[in-house]
Amino acid sequence: QVQLQESGPGLVKPSGTLSLTCAVSGGSISSSNWWSWVRQPPGKGLEWIGEIYHSGSTNYNPSLKSRVTISVDKSKNQFSLKVISVTAADTAVYYCARDPGQHNGYAFDIWGQGTMVTVSS
Amino acid sequence: DIVMTQTPLSSPVTLGQPASISCRSSQSLVHSDGNTYLSWLQQRPGQPPRLLIYKISNRFSGVPDRFSGSGAGTDFTLKISRVEAEDVGVYYCMQATQFLYTFGQGTKLEIK
Repeated sequence: QVQLQESGPGLVKPSGTLSLTCAVSGGSISSSNWWSWVRQPPGKGLEWIGEIYHSGSTNYNPSLKSRVTISVDKSKNQFSLKVISVTAADTAVYYCARDPGQHNGYAFDIWGQGTMVTVSS
Repeated sequence: DIVMTQTPLSSPVTLGQPASISCRSSQSLVHSDGNTYLSWLQQRPGQPPRLLIYKISNRFSGVPDRFSGSGAGTDFTLKISRVEAEDVGVYYCMQATQFLYTFGQGTKLEIK
């Protein structure tokens, strides 16, 4: 079955760039799914960051859009998140998730284990 | 943006008893295609979220039938018919009818 695994640095300096990758295994990233990033600050709720389709089409949370880029690498079967100009407010557990689209009600049916990213000097 | 409001924020429940969580959206979640894209997620302590229910009332694969979803328009409910110890965690509703996707603030289910 499809599994997702996030990876990337756990510590980023303020004003720096946060870069994470989500590896897709057990299935193709080129299948008919959207691939999302969701974050969760410590002790708080979930915030949708954005999503990408294998074609490269993206949708972003307007509150983050100016700082976020999501990209896909079909050759490596993975997708990535980049957040620039980070502050302490970007400290969170970052999850990647699969959205199978309309037939599954645009519900996130598979999630990675999450990776904690701390913004601190 | 559609704001999702859950009540209660905390729910102490006795094992074997039912539990109910409400979720209200700031505007109708009926999509132009006629579907309502409201889902429920469970997050056990230290775990990623897990999909329970999609499109209001459809149980995801492997979800026990003690979980059920209902509602329409702007008002939705997740019910657990008989709470078990493994149900402890935080429950979130989520709407995908309108970009951007938004979540409720979460309801913490704990055992009395």
